[in-house]
Amino acid sequence: QQQVKQSPQSLIVQKGGISIINCAYENTAFDYFPWYQQFPGKGPALLIAIRPDVSEKKEGRFTISFNKSAKQFSLHIMDSQPGDSATYFCAAGDWRAAGNKLTFGGGTRVLVKP
Amino acid sequence: GAGVSQTPSNKVTEKGKYVELRCDPISGHTALYWYRQSLGQGPEFLIYFQGTGAADDSGLPNDRFFAVRPEGSVSTLKIQRTERGDSAVYLCASSRSSVSEGWPQHFGDGTRLSIL
Repeated sequence: QQQVKQSPQSLIVQKGGISIINCAYENTAFDYFPWYQQFPGKGPALLIAIRPDVSEKKEGRFTISFNKSAKQFSLHIMDSQPGDSATYFCAAGDWRAAGNKLTFGGGTRVLVKP
Repeated sequence: GAGVSQTPSNKVTEKGKYVELRCDPISGHTALYWYRQSLGQGPEFLIYFQGTGAADDSGLPNDRFFAVRPEGSVSTLKIQRTERGDSAVYLCASSRSSVSEGWPQHFGDGTRLSIL
């Protein structure tokens, strides 16, 4: 059962453009939503994370928007650069529960064209 | 090193063999997680340790999979009677704690396991 659905599977954006990736979750117990960036042959690296008590969080060119009632959250990459070309994963966890194990979306492969 | 270290980086073995995958977490991190990532998919949770004990092993697919963390630091994931479907990248992550504050999980680069 896929508890976190991610879209699109892939996207191509021109340098300087905005990349937008969307995720939807089902489990209302989730209250921690990180985004990871993964390059080929490497492990996922944490980009930014949000808790449901805020609707938006920005760090540099990366912004998370969160809609608790819709159970959706998204990642916006502003001023996309060729170095941003990677696979991005959203995830969800319940940090209050023992473990905070993460449930990941299926990933979005982003290609930024120069 | 400062990050999560996983060895070997690649492992190729024949169907039916036994394999051990090692994870060395970030120093001081008490929580350790194993995930499995199949090609083109997101990581899937396998097992979580808080200290030496396996607090949640609900993601282990069957009893051929087992993991230990005897001294609360290094962990070993063990797979018996390997099958071709076990081929994947096995990722390890660690965090300072998991029972409060939701400390972020930091991942290693994984072990790419190929079963021939």
